[in-house]
Amino acid sequence: KQEVTQIPAALSVPEGENLVLNCSFTDSAIYNLQWFRQDPGKGLTSLLLIQSSQREQTSGRLNASLDKSSGRSTLYIAASQPGDSATYLCAVGRYSGAGSYQLTFGKGTKLSVIP
Amino acid sequence: GAVVSQHPSWVICKSGTSVKIECRSLDFQATTMFWYRQFPKQSLMLMATSNEGSKATYEQGVEKDKFLINHASLTLSTLTVTSAHPEDSSFYICSARVQGSEQYFGPGTRLTVT
Repeated sequence: KQEVTQIPAALSVPEGENLVLNCSFTDSAIYNLQWFRQDPGKGLTSLLLIQSSQREQTSGRLNASLDKSSGRSTLYIAASQPGDSATYLCAVGRYSGAGSYQLTFGKGTKLSVIP
Repeated sequence: GAVVSQHPSWVICKSGTSVKIECRSLDFQATTMFWYRQFPKQSLMLMATSNEGSKATYEQGVEKDKFLINHASLTLSTLTVTSAHPEDSSFYICSARVQGSEQYFGPGTRLTVT
């Protein structure tokens, strides 16, 4: 059974700092890995999707890396802003033996960027 | 981009009643739809996966007779919580996917059972 762990559970940083969020997973047989943002009481916003054959993806101030063999991914946020404050979720996608696709989520890292 | 909507965004119902939540893919046809539940400060837990025109596949521990899922078309799936109890109060999120593509998530439905 796939398990996804995110460290730290919460993080508070001053505005302008660069930061790294960590995600680890137990089963390296993945199809893809996705990072999401969730604001309080809201749904999920997809940030970056990394296919299993890729090493990283970049979008603006965000960079996500994937090391499938070690079961790790990181989300790097450059020059953090108060608007980045949210919970960041890591999710690992894979196909089951029956051929169905599933995402397994971590519990998230709650980020607070202090002005 | 791909948009998934949910209705209602929040609902309050009395214990013992049933409530239906709709999930629609607005600008694409989804071969698969997923229903998740999220308790406070917890992650999303997959409840069931459904493919259009076939019965949903429920995750272990999810009662299929209590959480009825209907995937009537390629753009609509419904989740009906039957005989709701306070412990069913949660945030329910649906997502939709086209084969080979990523999942697109709805905005969620907050259910409160009194």
